[in-house]
Amino acid sequence: EPEVTQTPSHQVTQMGQEVILRCVPISNHLYFYWYRQILGQKVEFLVSFYNNEISEKSEIFDDQFSVERPDGSNFTLKIRSTKLEDSAMYFCASETEINYGYTFGSGTRLTVV
Amino acid sequence: AQTVTQSQPEMSVQEAETVTLSCTYDTSESDYYLFWYKQPPSRQMILVIRQEAYKQQNATENRFSVNFQKAAKSFSLKISDSQLGDAAMYFCAYRSARGGSEKLVFGKGMKLTVNP
Repeated sequence: EPEVTQTPSHQVTQMGQEVILRCVPISNHLYFYWYRQILGQKVEFLVSFYNNEISEKSEIFDDQFSVERPDGSNFTLKIRSTKLEDSAMYFCASETEINYGYTFGSGTRLTVV
Repeated sequence: AQTVTQSQPEMSVQEAETVTLSCTYDTSESDYYLFWYKQPPSRQMILVIRQEAYKQQNATENRFSVNFQKAAKSFSLKISDSQLGDAAMYFCAYRSARGGSEKLVFGKGMKLTVNP
């Protein structure tokens, strides 16, 4: 069965450093998403991406965040200057058509120290 | 803004028994989608079942079925013949059918334990 692949599975970074979280969505999917889950809390929407542009973003997705689909297969989330509160699981998801239902990746656990 | 509430943080069930997980939501919209996702210890979020609000018929997927009560804004998940592999966090989620809004709004989740 096709999968959404996320790398790395765990990343530790120093506060203030830039990190790039990588995702390879399912190849025929058109809609891409990033969510995060702070330990023990809700899964929160960050951003949706369609047709090479952001279609929706949350209040969390401020200027320190950016997304890119650089080569038609990868979908990346960049955090420019990490803060301690950015420590969370970050999930990528993709969808073949709107409202069909996401396929999530296994997540990247980001730890900011 | 839409909200999703899962009032029971934890439940347990005996293997082979049936368990029902509750979810309520608040919205002023008439057209939307509801989902149940499962998150096992591996942490990956797995779609369990999906329901369109305009459909009166409750969705079923093998041992999983929902009881969708639109007027009551309730969307419960029934797991029949529970298996050890069903042990996980279960998240209820809402999605507007309004164009331009693709995000899922999740509840806080509920931890299901399956006892052998």
